[in-house]
Amino acid sequence: GQNIDQPTEMTATEGAIVQINCTYQTSGFNGLFWYQQHAGEAPTFLSYNVLDGLEEKGRFSSFLSRSKGYSYLLLKELQMKDSASYLCALGGTGFQKLVFGTGTRLLVSP
Amino acid sequence: DAGVTQSPTHLIKTRGQQVTLRCSPISGHKSVSWYQQVLGQGPQFIFQYYEKEERGRGNFPDRFSARQFPNYSSELNVNALLLGDSALYLCASSPRGTAGTGELFFGEGSRLTVL
Repeated sequence: GQNIDQPTEMTATEGAIVQINCTYQTSGFNGLFWYQQHAGEAPTFLSYNVLDGLEEKGRFSSFLSRSKGYSYLLLKELQMKDSASYLCALGGTGFQKLVFGTGTRLLVSP
Repeated sequence: DAGVTQSPTHLIKTRGQQVTLRCSPISGHKSVSWYQQVLGQGPQFIFQYYEKEERGRGNFPDRFSARQFPNYSSELNVNALLLGDSALYLCASSPRGTAGTGELFFGEGSRLTVL
């Protein structure tokens, strides 16, 4: 099976930097995804790591260490609109399936 | 371009009833997946269909079934509804059916309430 752990909730201030961690236990996966989900809306894709290391995409960066079973999403220059849930997910092998963590609810305050 | 569309957006059913949820993928996408998201949790995989064939099934009872049509749209059926089936049902499409490659594009979901 697969197990994914994320903090339930985080708070941060507008303009700051926040790091959302994700740890996992799995027998195998193809890649690690991060999705953003605003309340009542669909999840939207943020980033995808296949290899160890850092992937940067504008204000968002994601890091993966397969040997440590660890990933993080880094959000810089926080904006109020970044208040949302952030979902870490493992990409399955054999067929297309994502196994999601429970998500981290981020609240950005002025 | 239209994204993934789902219908209905909201519905209320009573225990024991049956429900059919519909999904139209992004044009050109041949893979459709269904996920169940209970409030406060991450989405949980139910099914994946690619080229009209079931490619994967999650840990859900046989009351859940799905199919994909020649135009790649899909339906999710749930029979003998239970209170615990109350959730947001998300459909996601992708141009490829292969494992773990590329992003999924999610629809806004169908919110099912079972009374």
